[in-house]
This record gives sequence, structure tokens and C-alpha cells, in this order.
Amino acid sequence: GDSVTQMEGPVTLSEEAFLTINCTYTATGYPSLFWYVQYPGEGLQLLLKATKADDKGSNKGFEATYRKETTSFHLEKGSVQVSDSAVYFCALRSGSASKIIFGSGTRLSIRP
Amino acid sequence: GAVVSQHPSWVICKSGTSVKIECRSLDFQATTMFWYRQFPKQSLMLMATSNEGSKATYEQGVEKDKFLINHASLTLSTLTVTSAHPEDSSFYICSARQGTGAGEQYFGPGTRLTVT
Repeated sequence: GDSVTQMEGPVTLSEEAFLTINCTYTATGYPSLFWYVQYPGEGLQLLLKATKADDKGSNKGFEATYRKETTSFHLEKGSVQVSDSAVYFCALRSGSASKIIFGSGTRLSIRP
Repeated sequence: GAVVSQHPSWVICKSGTSVKIECRSLDFQATTMFWYRQFPKQSLMLMATSNEGSKATYEQGVEKDKFLINHASLTLSTLTVTSAHPEDSSFYICSARQGTGAGEQYFGPGTRLTVT
């Protein structure tokens, strides 16, 4: 079945460091890909998405490119801030299906 | 943006009792809502898909008689954990889909259930 694998955390970085959180997926067909963020004590928020190969999703300085050839959707940010500390989930939705399948989540902590 | 609320945000109940969690879409109508369970430091696992006016569709391994879902209106779905046990303690999150098919899903803030 469809699945998402993302790098295990926790990830701890200093402020202004470069961030990469790896995500790969297994799916039949052409899924839509998502990154969600969960700030402490809050629900999930959609951070960015891409719906077809080579699309780049971006928001709040974060970017991820839908790579069909490597089945990847890695999350990157050039300069992280303390306020980016949260748990990040990579996810996919296959075709027209409603169900979203989540990765295990990566906890990110940014030191001032 | 679209807002989904959950009530209560946390609840403590005794073993054997039942507890109801509400999920509301505040500024849009949601034909479909989803219920997830999140264990500590783990990912979200879909429990069931709730469609307004019809029976919920449960994922494999989820007991439908234990986790009762009712989606009586286009803005409200409820999850009732019946005869709760300590192993039911978890973080329950709902989402509501705007539109149909590939419409955006908006997530509630979650409800932390502790069964003593």
C-alpha cells in the first residue's frame, strides 16, 4: 500500500542554519504531496503542497519539490528561526482519494 | 482561512465510562470529516471517514462499536469513545474537507483523552 517515510528526529539546529528534512514515498499512480506542521499545543496546519511531478511548493521560506524519479519531497529552508520549532509531517494523498497518509513526523528544535 | 474546532480540548474520564468529542467546521460546510488518532511522538493514524447523513467508514482494525461516529450536520461530527479503557488514552484529531474529492482538509487542534 501507499506509504511515506521521513527522516527520524529530533533535529536540532542553530538559528539561521540550513534545514533539510528528507521524505520519500511509495504510491500507485500520481499522488499529491504535502508538508504539514504542528506547533506545540496546536493542530496540524498545511505548510505547502505539490500536486504533480516537478511542482515546487513553497510557504514561509520553506520549499519542497515533487521529484517523481526519486519519489521524494524533501523539505528545505535556507535560514531557520526559533519560531520554526515544531513537528513536521510529510504526507500524500493518492489520486482522487480522500485519505491522507502521514509520515512519522520529524521534531525540529531551533536554538537561539 | 477555514477553521475547525474541537471540544473539549482535553478530557479525563474513568475506565468504563464514555466520552464524546465534537468536531465543528466553523466557517464552511464539510460533507466529509475524518478522525485520526495520534500516539505520543508518533504519526496520525486515520480511524474513520465520516460522511454527513450516512454511516462512517472505519479503517481496518478500528472497532466501530467502540468508536461511535455521528455526522448529523454539515458542520458537526462527533466521536464517542464507549466504555473507555486506559489504552484508549491518546490525542484525537479531526479534519474537515472543504468541497469534495481532492478538496483541502483542515485540521482541528485535537483533543487529549486520558482514561484513568
